Amino acid sequence: DSGVTQTPKHLITATGQRVTLRCSPRSGDLSVYWYQQSLDQGLQFLIQYYNGEERAKGNILERFSAQQFPDLHSELNLSSLELGDSALYFCASSVRRNTEAFFGQGTRLTVV
Amino acid sequence: AQSVSQHNHHVILSEAASLELGCNYSYGGTVNLFWYVQYPGQHLQLLLKYFSGDPLVKGIKGFEAEFIKSKFSFNLRKPSVQWSDTAEYFCAVNAERTGANNLFFGTGTRLTVIP
Repeated sequence: DSGVTQTPKHLITATGQRVTLRCSPRSGDLSVYWYQQSLDQGLQFLIQYYNGEERAKGNILERFSAQQFPDLHSELNLSSLELGDSALYFCASSVRRNTEAFFGQGTRLTVV
Repeated sequence: AQSVSQHNHHVILSEAASLELGCNYSYGGTVNLFWYVQYPGQHLQLLLKYFSGDPLVKGIKGFEAEFIKSKFSFNLRKPSVQWSDTAEYFCAVNAERTGANNLFFGTGTRLTVIP
């Protein structure tokens, strides 16, 4: 158990819908990262937050957004879902920059 | 832009064979290097890491990696693989830049170990 908690574990939704994925980082970790893992794209960095502030953006679509709350948990919002958004979404956390990240179990999103 | 290349997409070995997975990165500055493993149906777990010091890094489960700065490489090795090593292996690089801690991942190498 890495200490990073993601909910829900599985999510099935229809095209056009909106979902929210939740991540609780390890105790004491200030940085949260979101990754998307799909068969054709591999592991793609989406976005990073550090102590509530957005620090870096990767290949995140405009339909996706995220935030980190004062208690350091983070949410990834995916809207106007398309079939191609079906993937595993991982959250990871680290205590500060330039340290290793610890991954959650992921949320498997299926868009039908 | 930083990138990480893992040239082996799928490696198949018999038990007890030696393993070497390649990882190259493109970034000229100071980097921190990682190998993660993802067992089937599980999340990514850290195998080993390099920040500084001895370029030969030992990790868990008998894995090691060597950082060769001149070659921008961080190859993963294991002298004798086991069936339980069947998994996907990801190389990751964190480029030291102020205000960011992006971990850039390679596309992964799937290792299948045949008993």
